[in-house]
Amino acid sequence: NAGVTQTPKFQVLKTGQSMTLQCAQDMNHNSMYWYRQDPGMGLRLIYYSASEGTTDKGEVPNGYNVSRLNKREFSLRLESAAPSQTSVYFCASTGVSLETQYFGPGTRLLVL
Amino acid sequence: QKEVEQNSGPLSVPEGAIASLNCTYSDRVSQSFFWYRQYSGKSPELIMSIYSNGDKEDGRFTAQLNKASQYVSLLIRDSQPSDSATYLCAVHTGRRALTFGSGTRLQVQP
Repeated sequence: NAGVTQTPKFQVLKTGQSMTLQCAQDMNHNSMYWYRQDPGMGLRLIYYSASEGTTDKGEVPNGYNVSRLNKREFSLRLESAAPSQTSVYFCASTGVSLETQYFGPGTRLLVL
Repeated sequence: QKEVEQNSGPLSVPEGAIASLNCTYSDRVSQSFFWYRQYSGKSPELIMSIYSNGDKEDGRFTAQLNKASQYVSLLIRDSQPSDSATYLCAVHTGRRALTFGSGTRLQVQP
């Protein structure tokens, strides 16, 4: 039981490049989330998916797209990376209670 | 005003002392409250949850909730150097996701 996994662990991009961050969970959770964490800003919600086939915007969705591929997987795509998207990205999932969130190990992204 | 506010710290306490971490929230309909611990370079992990007014104890940790004052706190008794981390307060208002504070960095001095 791996919990929540994320790939890659670290990525360097040039401005304008695109990439997809992958997230998978093996806990049979319905809800999945993407957060970004910047120094002094805490965790800010980018997008979430309450169930397979549905996605909703969070607090800071601009510049990102998501796909809930199936119940296990929830990907985050940066179509044209900008230096302002330099951050640590965390994926999380929640069970029926919608409250206790389990986090993946994070992806550190540097956009030059 | 931020929805969930925490003092960024660092809060420095000597080993064996009680560390007191505080959090205020703005949405009166908030229903559930959580404390996550995050070590440097790691992901957050849940350490306490509290749903009703009063105290909830779990080992060396006590969460305190006062909904009238919109205030939630975390006490860590007999603080250890291994408790040095950032503590994130999170609030569930009934929407689909938690709202997190920016965290308080705790340093426990040996």
